[in-house]
Amino acid sequence: SQQGEEDPQALSIQEGENATMNCSYKTSINNLQWYRQNSGRGLVHLILIRSNEREKHSGRLRVTLDTSKKSSSLLITASRAADTASYFCATDASQGGSEKLVFGKGTKLTVNP
Amino acid sequence: AAGVIQSPRHLIKEKRETATLKCYPIPRHDTVYWYQQGPGQDPQFLISFYEKMQSDKGSIPDRFSAQQFSDYHSELNMSSLELGDSALYFCASSTGGAYNEQFFGPGTRLTVL
Repeated sequence: SQQGEEDPQALSIQEGENATMNCSYKTSINNLQWYRQNSGRGLVHLILIRSNEREKHSGRLRVTLDTSKKSSSLLITASRAADTASYFCATDASQGGSEKLVFGKGTKLTVNP
Repeated sequence: AAGVIQSPRHLIKEKRETATLKCYPIPRHDTVYWYQQGPGQDPQFLISFYEKMQSDKGSIPDRFSAQQFSDYHSELNMSSLELGDSALYFCASSTGGAYNEQFFGPGTRLTVL
């Protein structure tokens, strides 16, 4: 079953605005990671938040994690046209030591100049 | 900094042919993961290796096999290719453990005609 679900599926904003993407998951996790993917390109690791962390910052990125609600959010502040990409959350479905990632469906972000 | 290397970047094959994808992890990373991303889909876990041993297996068809070699590079072998195998194939590497980021390669785009 799908571990991560993201919303919105698509988001269009103007440059300078903030973008918030949400991710929900179903099972317990060790960590949650966010990735960016430009169209048809590779996955770029953005940030990892551990299950015992509630908030993490990296530059213009802010990630929150609520394990009681099994949800996470990614906030991009002061967005730029170059932020246009798909953003995926991924949770580790750790069982027996495996750290394979289960990805959400992704949010397609468009930042209009 | 060194990143994950995948080769080839693009591959075109006919139905029923075979394909071999290669992955060279980041130096000192001992864990390799393979993911498949169909058009417009999220990445799906295929298989992983830790210290040259298979550590987990996902939705990988029996027509596919993989291994990790003594230098930690990994190869994904795909036989009897089908049209539905057309996808982006990503390799990721990490140092293993529940709190370690997975870093992805640029992917191999396989097209089956």
